[in-house]
Amino acid sequence: DTAVSQTPKYLVTQMGNDKSIKCEQNLGHDTMYWYKQDSKKFLKIMFSYNNKELIINETVPNRFSPKSPDKAHLNLHINSLELGDSAVYFCASGDRASYQPQHFGDGTRLSIL
Amino acid sequence: SQKIEQNSEALNIQEGKTATLTCNYTNYSPAYLQWYRQDPGRGPVFLLLIRENEKEKRKERLKVTFDTTLKQSLFHITASQPADSATYLCALDGTNAGKSTFGDGTTLTVKP
Repeated sequence: DTAVSQTPKYLVTQMGNDKSIKCEQNLGHDTMYWYKQDSKKFLKIMFSYNNKELIINETVPNRFSPKSPDKAHLNLHINSLELGDSAVYFCASGDRASYQPQHFGDGTRLSIL
Repeated sequence: SQKIEQNSEALNIQEGKTATLTCNYTNYSPAYLQWYRQDPGRGPVFLLLIRENEKEKRKERLKVTFDTTLKQSLFHITASQPADSATYLCALDGTNAGKSTFGDGTTLTVKP
């Protein structure tokens, strides 16, 4: 009964390729997030969707495109992968009302060769 | 610009002692602050939340304080155990509900 699940767990690919990461939450939350954690463990928000509507879009290259088919799913598609995209990508969910914690998936480790 | 700093990258203590982790922030007026635990290869797990009008929060062996004048939160683990070894992250949330800004974490190692 994984609350926030993301696939794949590991993704190794060549520079220039296009790849997708999928995320699903079964907690009934109305908001989902994508974070990037670099090698220094710094966790930085990329996108947030509330009820399928984009509400947070940090300074992220256009090559990254999130898609939310419904409020339980938030996928991340990355075009033309670059070496600097290597990181761990975390999906999270929560309720947008204040004072609510976020629940994280276990991450997708993306390695660009 | 907004900045969040956690006291040190690594903290080593002996089992049974109290671990104290620090989270300092500048150019920020958070509505509340959260602490998360992250184990290697796993996502962060929520531990405690404290609001701007609260001074202290406790949960079992964990205690969080929040001083908005000093712009600082302290996170204490009493009677620490080797199983407490992990990276601890603080996160600040402002009025833009749902947007958390994370610190860079402190890795705690509790030695038996």
